[in-house]
Amino acid sequence: QSALTQPASVSGSPGQSITISCTGTSSDVGAYNYVSWYQQHPGKAPKLMIYDVSNRPSGVSNRFSGSKSGNTASLTISGLQAEDEADYYCSSYTSSSTVVFGGGTKLTVL
Amino acid sequence: QLQLQESGPGLVKPSETLSLTCTVSGGSISSSSYYWGWIRQPPGKGLEWIGSFYYSGSTYYNPSLKSRVTISVDTSKNQFSLKLTSVTAADTAVYYCARAKPPIAVEIWGQGTLVTVSS
Repeated sequence: QSALTQPASVSGSPGQSITISCTGTSSDVGAYNYVSWYQQHPGKAPKLMIYDVSNRPSGVSNRFSGSKSGNTASLTISGLQAEDEADYYCSSYTSSSTVVFGGGTKLTVL
Repeated sequence: QLQLQESGPGLVKPSETLSLTCTVSGGSISSSSYYWGWIRQPPGKGLEWIGSFYYSGSTYYNPSLKSRVTISVDTSKNQFSLKLTSVTAADTAVYYCARAKPPIAVEIWGQGTLVTVSS
């Protein structure tokens, strides 16, 4: 299985909105509404931010939202804050009952 | 509150077997409908799913690692384990154990343990 495709980096200024894309295939992202997004700060374990494409776990800010169109899922962060600077990873369920991650996106808050 | 803790050697020699254990506290592996599994992250690189099992007994592995990986569970100790055979330097990574809401939403992570493959 091939890794999902994410941009290596994105950036934005405080208060702005950014979107991170996650492109897969009709055998993973396009096949199921099982896409998750994780935030990872340096030296820390990842944190679940979005699951099942667009659901937020309890305690996650509503500034984080997820969506999907065809084989591409997206994570949008609105009202950027300094603490949002981190690495972000998407993952998807696959038709082989496995899990595939994206390569990760480094978000820089300018 | 459920917590996961990885344990095992931090250094493994090439061609040998990497063995890690995840101890679950604050809840039972067998009492709930969750997936439990392992994810790794080479230094400076992205996340890689290794494999997972469902509480009912089904086990799933990353196709690229399947020939070398075994995940097993010991419900009496509330632990599950990872064995990765014939390791090389490419297997050097932080290894995380995790619990996922079905099927893939990893809501609870261990703190991670660095395993280095070197002679």
